[in-house]
This record gives sequence, structure tokens and C-alpha cells, in this order.
Amino acid sequence: DAKTTQPNSMESNEEEPVHLPCNHSTISGTDYIHWYRQLPSQGPEYVIHGLTSNVNNRMASLAIAEDRKSSTLILHRATLRDAAVYYCILRDVIKAAGNKLTFGGGTRVLVKP
Amino acid sequence: DTGVSQDPRHKITKRGQNVTFRCDPISEHNRLYWYRQTLGQGPEFLTYFQNEAQLEKSRLLSDRFSAERPKGSFSTLEIQRTEQGDSAMYLCASSRRREGIDEQFFGPGTRLTVL
Repeated sequence: DAKTTQPNSMESNEEEPVHLPCNHSTISGTDYIHWYRQLPSQGPEYVIHGLTSNVNNRMASLAIAEDRKSSTLILHRATLRDAAVYYCILRDVIKAAGNKLTFGGGTRVLVKP
Repeated sequence: DTGVSQDPRHKITKRGQNVTFRCDPISEHNRLYWYRQTLGQGPEFLTYFQNEAQLEKSRLLSDRFSAERPKGSFSTLEIQRTEQGDSAMYLCASSRRREGIDEQFFGPGTRLTVL
């Protein structure tokens, strides 16, 4: 499985943007980039995913480098409820092994009021 | 959409006892997953069902662990002869492949403490 590298933690002020980097230098052509987050005392929840183009949804934006070796999850205006551990995950959905999620350590985001 | 539910939410047991956890997935989801999470770590995959068929098992799933999904709906995870190292949060997720992607929806987890 291709691996991802994320910083252990990041801090942000409320109402400010948060940029969460993820390195995946061994990404394959059929790997999708997924982001999940885990709020305290809850199971993980889906945030966003992409393959090559940048993606936006109501929760966040995903910026993918042209060579796909890195990506950045952008929370446009952090709120206290965005404090969570954010996981960057590669999934090869063509292969059966891509059905499972392979979590790394994630980035713990602290949002200060 | 009532979400994925897990029961019990907490379980305390003594070493050597057997425990069983239940997961009820979102009703139209045909895929079901079990993960285990220890403190400070990301969840680790244990096993995966498509309908009632168990299609993948992790090497983490020792002989003491068994999972079933008899009718392709709810699933159970049993741990026999529990050990202190089994203490963890056990997470269940379900999904249905749609437009090429299957977003996994997680339950709240069952926290197991083995004394």
C-alpha cells in the first residue's frame, strides 16, 4: 500500500483557514486521495476525495499537486467543531484491496478561540 | 438514515473471557468493515464483508477473533480468551459503492477494556 506522511499536529485560530499537507510520493496512477477526520470520541467521517483535479465540497477543498505526489486539505474557516484528527489515505479503488482504509497517524488539528 | 450503530458502547471484561460485539450497518449498504483503534493511533483494518461473504481478513485477526455477517445485514465480532492487548476501540463501518467510490460511514465504536 502506498504510504502517506502528515505532520503530527497543527494549530489554528478560529475563523482562519487551515492548510493540512499530505505527502504521498509513491502514489500510483489508480490511487484516489481520500481525507477522513475523527472528532473526539467518535468514529472517523469522510471529508473529501480526489484523483487529479482540485475538489471542493461543503466541508473542505482538496488541492492536488500536478505530479500527485502531495496534496493539501483546506478548511476555509476553522471552527471549534473542526478540532479533530485528519487522515490522508490513498485508495486504489480498482483493486479489491482498495476497499479497506489504511490509516496513518493523521494530523491533530487544534483550533483556538 | 439512522447511521451505523454498535452495541455495546463499552465493555469491561476479565482476561480469558469471551466477548461479542454487534454492528448494525446503514440498511442499504452491502459492505461492512471492522477496524480496531488503540489510543493515539489511527484505526487498523481487521476484516471486510460484501453481503454475507467475508472477503478479506487482516493478519491482525488472530485465531481468537471471528466475525460473521450471517444474513448480509448486521455483523458480530467475537473475541475468545481475551488478552489485555485486546483492549482497544472496535469500530464498524459500512458502505455502498456508488459512482465508483464507496464512502465509509463509521459507527461510534465499542470500547473494550480487558482487566
